[in-house]
Order: sequence, then structure tokens, then C-alpha cells
Amino acid sequence: AQSVTQLDSQVPVFEEAPVELRCNYSSSVSVYLFWYVQYPNQGLQLLLKYLSGSTLVKGINGFEAEFNKSQTSFHLRKPSVHISDTAEYFCAVSRMDSSYKLIFGSGTRLLVRP
Amino acid sequence: DAGVIQSPRHEVTEMGQEVTLRCKPISGHDYLFWYRQTMMRGLELLIYFNNNVPIDDSGMPEDRFSAKMPNASFSTLKIQPSEPRDSAVYFCASSPGTGPNQPQHFGDGTRLSIL
Repeated sequence: AQSVTQLDSQVPVFEEAPVELRCNYSSSVSVYLFWYVQYPNQGLQLLLKYLSGSTLVKGINGFEAEFNKSQTSFHLRKPSVHISDTAEYFCAVSRMDSSYKLIFGSGTRLLVRP
Repeated sequence: DAGVIQSPRHEVTEMGQEVTLRCKPISGHDYLFWYRQTMMRGLELLIYFNNNVPIDDSGMPEDRFSAKMPNASFSTLKIQPSEPRDSAVYFCASSPGTGPNQPQHFGDGTRLSIL
């Protein structure tokens, strides 16, 4: 079975500061990795995904994430956040043979303050 | 382009009542997914359809829950009878395929409160 752990339930940060949202996963088989963002009262939107190849992947809105197989991590980063980045961020994994079945972490609320 | 449309956005009802949640997927998307989001359990896949046929309903919590897709542009998730523990946000998502390069597009959800 697969599982995803997002250790930080909330991350407060000042505007224009860098941020890292942590994600660790557990799986006995190879997986795909995803980050989704959920703005208040909206559904989830895909930020970025890792399927294979370069371990550093870039997504929308200036976010990037790095896949680290040895540490089973897929941390999300942004060098300078904006107020508009305030949202809930979900890390997710899926098995390669059933990639539709997303297993989500519990989410991290990013709170950007002026 | 219109995204995934869910209705109602909010539903408050008393326990024991029947609840019907509705979803209109993006045109041309052959796959439709129903999720439930709660504080305790996070986001869970309940069921998904391919070409209107239910393929995997292993996430449906119990017989009180049922989902249908009578045509390519409409799906319902029904709870009968409803219980307070069913209170959650229910999301519908659709995608053109199930591969990782065909991401799911989510609706804005239905916030359900069972009193």
C-alpha cells in the first residue's frame, strides 16, 4: 500500500520569503508523484508532477519540487511567495499501474502574510 | 471552457433524508471520479466511471451510498439515508484518460452538512 505524509499542517510565511512544503511517501512499488493546490471554496488544481527523468520538476505559479528517491521525499518549493499563494497544498502519489488512483496527504495550509 | 460543474454548492439536511449530489463533467472527458474530503480522513476516492460504466467502487463507504452516470454529461452521488458522519465536502473530477499525463480536473465541490 502507498501512503503520503505531510508533516506540517500549517506553514506561515511572510510575503516574498522562500517556502518549502514537505512531503514524504511510502510505497513498495514505483509511483508517480503530484502536488495539487486548493484555493478556498474551490477544487484541486494540479501544480506539478514527477513521472520520470529529471528529479527537479517545475510547475505553474513559480513552484518547483524535487524528487529524492533515497529519502522518499518530494518537497515543494517557491523562492518568493505572494499573498495569492495562500491555499491548501496536497501531495499525492499513484501507482504506475493504476495512475488514476491518487493517494493524498493530509494537506499543508500555506498562510502568506504581508 | 466550462470546467466540472457540481450542484448544489452547499447542502444542509437532517439525518435520515435522502441527499443527491450532481456533477457535469468536462465535455469529451471519458472518466469521472467522486471524492470525499473530511478532516479525519482527508481526500478519498469513492468511485470512478469510464464511459458511464462504474469501474472501481471500492471506496464507497457502505450501501447507503450509490452513484450513477446515466449519460456522458451527468452523474449523481446519492446517500440514503444520510447520517451526520456523512458530513464532508464531496468533489467530482473528470479526465480524458487515466494516465498520469491526463490529470483530473476537479469541480468546486459540494459542502454537505447532515444535522
